[in-house]
Amino acid sequence: QKEVEQDPGPLSVPEGAIVSLNCTYSNSAFQYFMWYRQYSRKGPELLMYTYSSGNKEDGRFTAQVDKSSKYISLFIRDSQPSDSATYLCAMKGTSYDKVIFGPGTSLSVIP
Amino acid sequence: GAVVSQHPSWVICKSGTSVKIECRSLDFQATTMFWYRQFPKQSLMLMATSNEGSKATYEQGVEKDKFLINHASLTLSTLTVTSAHPEDSSFYICSATRLAGFLETQYFGPGTRLLVL
Repeated sequence: QKEVEQDPGPLSVPEGAIVSLNCTYSNSAFQYFMWYRQYSRKGPELLMYTYSSGNKEDGRFTAQVDKSSKYISLFIRDSQPSDSATYLCAMKGTSYDKVIFGPGTSLSVIP
Repeated sequence: GAVVSQHPSWVICKSGTSVKIECRSLDFQATTMFWYRQFPKQSLMLMATSNEGSKATYEQGVEKDKFLINHASLTLSTLTVTSAHPEDSSFYICSATRLAGFLETQYFGPGTRLLVL
């Protein structure tokens, strides 16, 4: 079993839809959870960073962490064509641990 | 957010030559930098962890004599692909860690696309 699993997609949604992106993980020691967005041929860009369980909201983006289920989600409201990218979840145990990345989900928002 | 730059953004070279890629943290000091490799439609593969003033720590399966890493200062790390071959063609991305409060956050560079002919 891989440490971090993520549906690779591709996921295609109409503009304005609510998008739900998810990751599952196996290591219960993970405490720090991140979502990165990567446009084609570019480096990943940090979107959200959360610690432990709970929700965090930033504009149209909401990150949820359920440590009991080892499941994290990223919700995108009012999706835009500019949201079309690959979304990578990432996590680590302590602040100084190596980050483990999911394989990424490719998202296309159709105008 | 923090800014990390990479140079060059793309490079084409002949087989057998060496290529150096620079990674700089522009507005913060990074005690740790990471080098990743990414193949098309695949996730990031960590190659090595680079700490300022000490030898890099390589991941299993990564040849340290082929991928030379130097972390000369708190703002600069370099990756040299020695005697490059076509199979080394890939997208190389660096990242630098920045401590904000108790959170150590990783910021990525824009990547360097290497094509070895």
